[in-house]
Amino acid sequence: KQEVTQIPAALSVPEGENLVLNCSFTDSAIYNLQWFRQDPGKGLTSLLLIQSSQREQTSGRLNASLDKSSGRSTLYIAASQPGDSATYLCAVGAAGNKLTFGGGTRVLVKP
Amino acid sequence: SAVISQKPSRDICQRGTSLTIQCQVDSQVTMMFWYRQQPGQSLTLIATANQGSEATYESGFVIDKFPISRPNLTFSTLTVSNMSPEDSSIYLCSALDRGVDGYTFGSGTRLTVV
Repeated sequence: KQEVTQIPAALSVPEGENLVLNCSFTDSAIYNLQWFRQDPGKGLTSLLLIQSSQREQTSGRLNASLDKSSGRSTLYIAASQPGDSATYLCAVGAAGNKLTFGGGTRVLVKP
Repeated sequence: SAVISQKPSRDICQRGTSLTIQCQVDSQVTMMFWYRQQPGQSLTLIATANQGSEATYESGFVIDKFPISRPNLTFSTLTVSNMSPEDSSIYLCSALDRGVDGYTFGSGTRLTVV
């Protein structure tokens, strides 16, 4: 059974600092990995999708890497802003098109 | 990517009653899913909504408690039946968008059972 872990569970940084969020998974037989953002009490917003054949994806200040062999993905957010404060979730896609979610990292960017 | 409209956005319900949550997608999608997010927790898959047939439920979730309909490729409903305070959660629907091969989520329904 796939297990997804996100470390740290919470992170507080001053504005302008780079953010590094980690995601690890136990079963490397994945189809893809997707990073989401969730604001309090809201739904999920997709940030980046990495296919199993890819090593990384970039969008603006966001960059996500994937190392299937070691079961790891890292989300980098450059030059953080207070508006980046949210919970970030990684989810692994596998057989049956099912997503398995990590527990999330709650980020606070202080002005 | 697909856009999902989910309603209601929130509701407060009496125990023993039922609530139906609706999700409308702005394009045809192959697969739709329903998740539950309990307070302070991550998302747990309830079931896969299959078009024209019975939903496929995950371990710990049953059709009598969470009946699901999916009459076409753009619409699905989840009913939370005979509610108890333990059902207080955020419920989210999701669609697999084959065009970009990624998952899109609705804005969620925050349910409080009193």
